[in-house]
Amino acid sequence: GENVEQHPSTLSVQEGDSAVIKCTYSDSASNYFPWYKQELGKRPQLIIDIRSNVGEKKDQRIAVTLNKTAKHFSLHITETQPEDSAVYFCAASMGPSYGKLTFGQGTILTVHP
Amino acid sequence: DTAVSQTPKYLVTQMGNDKSIKCEQNLGHDTMYWYKQDSKKFLKIMFSYNNKELIINETVPNRFSPKSPDKAHLNLHINSLELGDSAVYFCASSQDQGTSVAFFGQGTRLTVV
Repeated sequence: GENVEQHPSTLSVQEGDSAVIKCTYSDSASNYFPWYKQELGKRPQLIIDIRSNVGEKKDQRIAVTLNKTAKHFSLHITETQPEDSAVYFCAASMGPSYGKLTFGQGTILTVHP
Repeated sequence: DTAVSQTPKYLVTQMGNDKSIKCEQNLGHDTMYWYKQDSKKFLKIMFSYNNKELIINETVPNRFSPKSPDKAHLNLHINSLELGDSAVYFCASSQDQGTSVAFFGQGTRLTVV
């Protein structure tokens, strides 16, 4: 089955800096890669996703890049704000027959004012 | 209207008891999931249902029995609760099997004492 590794496990930045979280996946058949943000005591919520036919996607301060050859994808947050502090999860799916998202271990992002 | 709702939000019970968690989605999605989030925040798939049919059972002990009376509902019954079952259980749904956005419920924090 699919295995997703996520780094770093914790990330601390100053407000206004950029933050980068990286994930690698094991199965080249994976074709859908979402990122979720989970605030303390809340549910995970999708912030951005990318499919394997696209190399990069951007939404305001958030961007995701995908390198299919190397089997890794990254989340980039620019101009970080204290409200960006949360746990971020990457995930991968191999398509409808696979039937599930496999999540990375999570990254605790802390943005200091 | 809450898209994915699960009850109860908190559940404290003694070892050996049997308990149930209910989940309902009003998004018209075909696929529903149960995820377990342990104390280290790791999100692990337990079950996946598509149109009331079980498609994934991730080597979960048979004390855990999911039931889907219709595609909008997926309940989780747990027999003979153990200390190690303490975790946050998230229900989620998506339009199809793992290749579209998953919407999570608010979670049920289960504490076994």
